[in-house]
Amino acid sequence: NAGVTQTPKFQVLKTGQSMTLQCAQDMNHNSMYWYRQDPGMGLRLIYYSASEGTTDKGEVPNGYNVSRLNKREFSLRLESAAPSQTSVYFCASLRLAGENEQFFGPGTRLTVL
Amino acid sequence: AQSVTQLDSQVPVFEEAPVELRCNYSSSVSVYLFWYVQYPNQGLQLLLKYLSGSTLVKGINGFEAEFNKSQTSFHLRKPSVHISDTAEYFCAVSDRGSGGSNYKLTFGKGTLLTVNP
Repeated sequence: NAGVTQTPKFQVLKTGQSMTLQCAQDMNHNSMYWYRQDPGMGLRLIYYSASEGTTDKGEVPNGYNVSRLNKREFSLRLESAAPSQTSVYFCASLRLAGENEQFFGPGTRLTVL
Repeated sequence: AQSVTQLDSQVPVFEEAPVELRCNYSSSVSVYLFWYVQYPNQGLQLLLKYLSGSTLVKGINGFEAEFNKSQTSFHLRKPSVHISDTAEYFCAVSDRGSGGSNYKLTFGKGTLLTVNP
């Protein structure tokens, strides 16, 4: 099993450009998450999908959109990138809510100039 | 709403010394508790978790943590650290209840453990 995979690993954008971060999991997990990590801020939840067909806002959703394409895939889109979105983005997945052990991908390091 | 406070942003120690990383949480409901570790340029991986039962929880790599309900704490300890333990450590909580809240983790801001030779 590959676990949780993310593409790309690194990306540099100019202000105003758009891009989609991809995430996939092969563990048949029900729930998926997008976080951003900034120095001294810990991980902050952007959006999550409790199950296929549902998505909900997290703590910092502004400037982002998500799509739960199927049970395996959960993408994060930046429609018009801003320097404040420079961050490391992590995708995670969860099998069942009661267990609550989230499995994380390796991250995407995004720089917006 | 829940919150997690990691009391030290950085903890430098010498190799083979003991270490304690402190975590306090605030919640109006019962919680599950977690410690995750992040090695440089990697994602997070689970060190240990408290769901129920014994308040002393043992995890991977010789780490353990103790849940103290009265003090709302979940401190992480290791009796003798190695250079390879250098990493950032995150405490996290989630709601035990049903509904949407128990799908989500609330993370602390992290403690950078640096083990020096």
